[in-house]
Amino acid sequence: AQSVAQPEDQVNVAEGNPLTVKCTYSVSGNPYLFWYVQYPNRGLQFLLKYITGDNLVKGSYGFEAEFNKSQTSFHLKKPSALVSDSALYFCAVRDRRGGTASKLTFGTGTRLQVTL
Amino acid sequence: ETGVTQTPRHLVMGMTNKKSLKCEQHLGHNAMYWYKQSAKKPLELMFVYSLEERVENNSVPSRFSPECPNSSHLFLHLHTLQPEDSALYLCASSLTTSGGTDTQYFGPGTRLTVL
Repeated sequence: AQSVAQPEDQVNVAEGNPLTVKCTYSVSGNPYLFWYVQYPNRGLQFLLKYITGDNLVKGSYGFEAEFNKSQTSFHLKKPSALVSDSALYFCAVRDRRGGTASKLTFGTGTRLQVTL
Repeated sequence: ETGVTQTPRHLVMGMTNKKSLKCEQHLGHNAMYWYKQSAKKPLELMFVYSLEERVENNSVPSRFSPECPNSSHLFLHLHTLQPEDSALYLCASSLTTSGGTDTQYFGPGTRLTVL
C-alpha cells in the first residue's frame, strides 16, 4: 500500500523568508510525486510534479520541490514567501507500476500561514 | 480552475432529501473522479469513471450514486444522507485512468451540509 505523510499540520513563515513544507512517501515501486495547493473555498490546484530526471522540480508561483529517493521525501520549497501563499498544501504519490497502484494517494495537508 | 466546474457550490439538505451534484470538464479528458474531503483527513477517492464506464468504486455507501452520461459530465446523486456525510465533494478529471504522469485537475468543490 502507498501512503503520504505530511508531518506538520501548520507551518508559519514571515513574508520574505524561505519556506519548506515537508512530505515523505511510501510506495512499493518508484513514485510519481505531486504537490497541490488549495485556497479557501476553492478546489485543489496543481503546482508541480516529479516524473524522472532532475531531482529539483520547478512549478507554478515560484514553488519548487526536491525529490530525495534515499529519504523518500519530496519537500516543497520557495525562496521568498508571500502572504498570498497562505493556503493548504497537499502532497500526493502514485506508484509507477500502474494498475491498482495507479491511484493517487494524498496526504492530510499542511496549512501554510505567511505573516507580514 | 475553470477547466473543471461544479454546481452547486454550496448545498444544505435534510436527511430525507434527494439532491444531485454536477461536474463538467472542458479539458477533453477521458477520466473523471469524485473525492470526499473532510477536515484533517486525506482526500478519499469515491468513484472513478473512464470513458463513461465506472472503473472503481471504493466501498462507498449506496446512498451515493454516481452517473457519467458522457466523458465531459459527472453527477453524484444523493439520497437519505447522514450528518457525517457533510464534507467538501471534489470532482477531478485527467487524460486517462492509467495513472502514470497524468495530472488530475480539480473543480472548486461542493460544500455539502446534511442536517
